[in-house]
Amino acid sequence: GESVGLHLPTLSVQEGDNSIINCAYSNSASDYFIWYKQESGKGPQFIIDIRSNMDKRQGQRVTVLLNKTVKHLSLQIAATQPGDSAVYFCAENKVSVGNSKLTFGKGITLSVRP
Amino acid sequence: DAGVTQSPTHLIKTRGQQVTLRCSPKSGHDTVSWYQQALGQGPQFIFQYYEEEERQRGNFPDRFSGHQFPNYSSELNVNALLLGDSALYLCASNALVWDSSDTQYFGPGTRLTVL
Repeated sequence: GESVGLHLPTLSVQEGDNSIINCAYSNSASDYFIWYKQESGKGPQFIIDIRSNMDKRQGQRVTVLLNKTVKHLSLQIAATQPGDSAVYFCAENKVSVGNSKLTFGKGITLSVRP
Repeated sequence: DAGVTQSPTHLIKTRGQQVTLRCSPKSGHDTVSWYQQALGQGPQFIFQYYEEEERQRGNFPDRFSGHQFPNYSSELNVNALLLGDSALYLCASNALVWDSSDTQYFGPGTRLTVL
């Protein structure tokens, strides 16, 4: 079957430190992977995505790494800020002709200590 | 540029009732997907609409149905509500391109409580 899962349920980091959130997936046929951030009472907010033919992509303060050999995805947040506190989801985008769907993991809570 | 909007924000129903949730996609988007998010869980895909047709469906019973209108807005209908249907219902939109897709952007969700 296909599944996207996260290794740890919670992560606590000191403000200013770098955060690394890890994710494992099982479907090697996925087209690309997305990281979403969800704050309390809000819908998931797109952070960054990466295509299956790439192994690294950088955004503003964030980097996503994809290791297809071990089916592992990670999100790195540089200089973590209090506003980064939220639940983070990795999602797999399985695209076929004419439609697409997202498969989410359970989420990991990032808590930033002042 | 308005993002994805959903209504209502909160809803309370009793078992056996029917509910309709509404979604307006982000400007320029033609594809709408619906997700159910139980407390403490990741969103689960319900179905996706494109060109007013259901294109793909997740593992949800027929009590869950939908519709897409010519202006790309969409409704999610749930019949014969069960306690287990209590969740946050999320709408996401994207511009679907042949054999590819843009990023899905989510609305704020509708919190449904079934008593």
